[in-house]
Amino acid sequence: AQSVAQPEDQVNVAEGNPLTVKCTYSVSGNPYLFWYVQYPNRGLQFLLKYITGDNLVKGSYGFEAEFNKSQTSFHLKKPSALVSDSALYFCAVRGNSGNTPLVFGKGTRLSVIA
Amino acid sequence: DVKVTQSSRYLVKRTGEKVFLECVQDMDHENMFWYRQDPGLGLRLIYFSYDVKMKEKGDIPEGYSVSREKKERFSLILESASTNQTSMYLCASAEAGLAESTDTQYFGPGTRLTVL
Repeated sequence: AQSVAQPEDQVNVAEGNPLTVKCTYSVSGNPYLFWYVQYPNRGLQFLLKYITGDNLVKGSYGFEAEFNKSQTSFHLKKPSALVSDSALYFCAVRGNSGNTPLVFGKGTRLSVIA
Repeated sequence: DVKVTQSSRYLVKRTGEKVFLECVQDMDHENMFWYRQDPGLGLRLIYFSYDVKMKEKGDIPEGYSVSREKKERFSLILESASTNQTSMYLCASAEAGLAESTDTQYFGPGTRLTVL
């Protein structure tokens, strides 16, 4: 079975500091991994995805994520946080075989403090 | 840009009512999904559809049904609403086919349903 864990319900970071939002996964076969962001009173927006290739994936708004197969992780990172990055972040995964839908994590609320 | 619209942003219904939530996408996507979002539980998949008139149960289908008569429209139905169905409901669509394009789901703004 597929699963995703986001171990932190809340992450607080000062503006200008680097940020990391953690995600680990479990899946049969090779994973397809995604990050989505939800701003207040909005639907989810796609940030980035890993399908194959380079382990470091760059996405929207200066975010990037690193796929680490040995640690089954896909942590989201940004070198310098902005107050406007404050939102709810979801990691999602599916295996690359069959036609199964994505499984989402429970979300991590990021607060960037000025 | 892909646009996914949902019929209502806010909805208040009474216990026992039949509730229809509509979702329409304008990008000719084959795949459509219904989730509910609850604090601390993240997104949970209710139903999904990979083609017209096709539906598959997700993780929490009990108390819900769906209809997909046209490719662009995917409806979620609460046959007899209950208070534990108070939630945010999110619809999404995605292109089928090549792996690189699949699974990038595009979400609607959500419907916050309150059942009294």
